[in-house]
Amino acid sequence: GENVEQHPSTLSVQEGDSAVIKCTYSDSASNYFPWYKQELGKRPQLIIDIRSNVGEKKDQRIAVTLNKTAKHFSLHITETQPEDSAVYFCAASYNDYKLSFGAGTTVTVRA
Amino acid sequence: SQTIHQWPATLVQPVGSPLSLECTVEGTSNPNLYWYRQAAGRGLQLLFYSVGIGQISSEVPQNLSASRPQDRQFILSSKKLLLSDSGFYLCAWSVGGLEQYFGPGTRLTVT
Repeated sequence: GENVEQHPSTLSVQEGDSAVIKCTYSDSASNYFPWYKQELGKRPQLIIDIRSNVGEKKDQRIAVTLNKTAKHFSLHITETQPEDSAVYFCAASYNDYKLSFGAGTTVTVRA
Repeated sequence: SQTIHQWPATLVQPVGSPLSLECTVEGTSNPNLYWYRQAAGRGLQLLFYSVGIGQISSEVPQNLSASRPQDRQFILSSKKLLLSDSGFYLCAWSVGGLEQYFGPGTRLTVT
């Protein structure tokens, strides 16, 4: 199966600064890498994803980059706002149906 | 549009009692369906997935079982709950791709 490691486990940033979360994966055959945001007590929400034929994808203040050679991918949040405070999970597919999730990063945006 | 329902939202059960959690999806046909468990402050652990009626794949040997009696219905069961079964149980669906969307979850406390 796939093994996904996520760092850091906690991240505190000043409002307006950028936040970066990094993940590595083990299976070179993985081809899909989503990111989820989970607010306290709520369900995880898919916020952005990237496939292995793309190196970077951006959606407003969030972007994801993928380095297939190094087997790592990252989430970048620019101009952070208090509503960005949440737990973020990365994941990687290891077949057509299943995702393996990282352990999560708790992001706190300080006002 | 697609909607996913889970019930109950919260549940408190004594050790040794049975369990039945239900998940239904509306607005789509032949979805892949998933059960995840999230322990307090932890990541997402895939328990079961199903690609069709009666087709169940188990990811982790444990005290739980799953069934899919109808195309858009997925049930998680246990005959005798353990304290370690406590957690946040999330159902998810996907169709025609790898994007998975989560239901609102059931928070289970075993006492």
